Amino acid sequence: DGGITQSPKYLFRKEGQNVTLSCEQNLNHDAMYWYRQDPGQGLRLIYYSQIVNDFQKGDIAEGYSVSREKKESFPLTVTSAQKNPTAFYLCASTFRGPNNSPLHFGNGTRLTVT
Amino acid sequence: AQTVTQSQPEMSVQEAETVTLSCTYDTSESDYYLFWYKQPPSRQMILVIRQEAYKQQNATENRFSVNFQKAAKSFSLKISDSQLGDAAMYFCAYRSAHGGATNKLIFGTGTLLAVQP
Repeated sequence: DGGITQSPKYLFRKEGQNVTLSCEQNLNHDAMYWYRQDPGQGLRLIYYSQIVNDFQKGDIAEGYSVSREKKESFPLTVTSAQKNPTAFYLCASTFRGPNNSPLHFGNGTRLTVT
Repeated sequence: AQTVTQSQPEMSVQEAETVTLSCTYDTSESDYYLFWYKQPPSRQMILVIRQEAYKQQNATENRFSVNFQKAAKSFSLKISDSQLGDAAMYFCAYRSAHGGATNKLIFGTGTLLAVQP
């Protein structure tokens, strides 16, 4: 079955450490996205990528970095510069272009930094 | 910039009854798409229904329907015959239809729906 896989489901890190969240899709989607979800704030866009080897900052990119070396993969690194990294992170993908294709989401990663 | 507003942080409905969740949005574009997503306690985001702005007819998916008022920039979700499994957080989302756009979804802050047995 096609889908988006995020791993791990739960992640714990000490403050000051970088951590990388994995996102893999086998839907042949061009575009991939990282959202952050906090209580009462909905989903906010961190980074997105329309094609391989290209990505753009979203609304809250500070303290995060990404790479898009393969179409299937879009890992997110939460760096020590991110002041409030504890959150729920969702990866999504869709076909590129002006269409009504919905975003497909992974199951998310809950990151806790202490 | 486009914005999406959900003014009801929480709603409650009795099982088998009907409930309407509100969503308004702000945009200067004429061509766009609107979506409702459901996020149950598992936190998986599930597409409930979608609407193309150029279509006047309101979208319907089984017990779920929308009331799309383009001039008023309103996009409410009606859930009929509510079931216990409908309990979830519901997000309204906007997406531009313009070519070359990011295709990103812009989300509202969500409405938490409780279904009372």
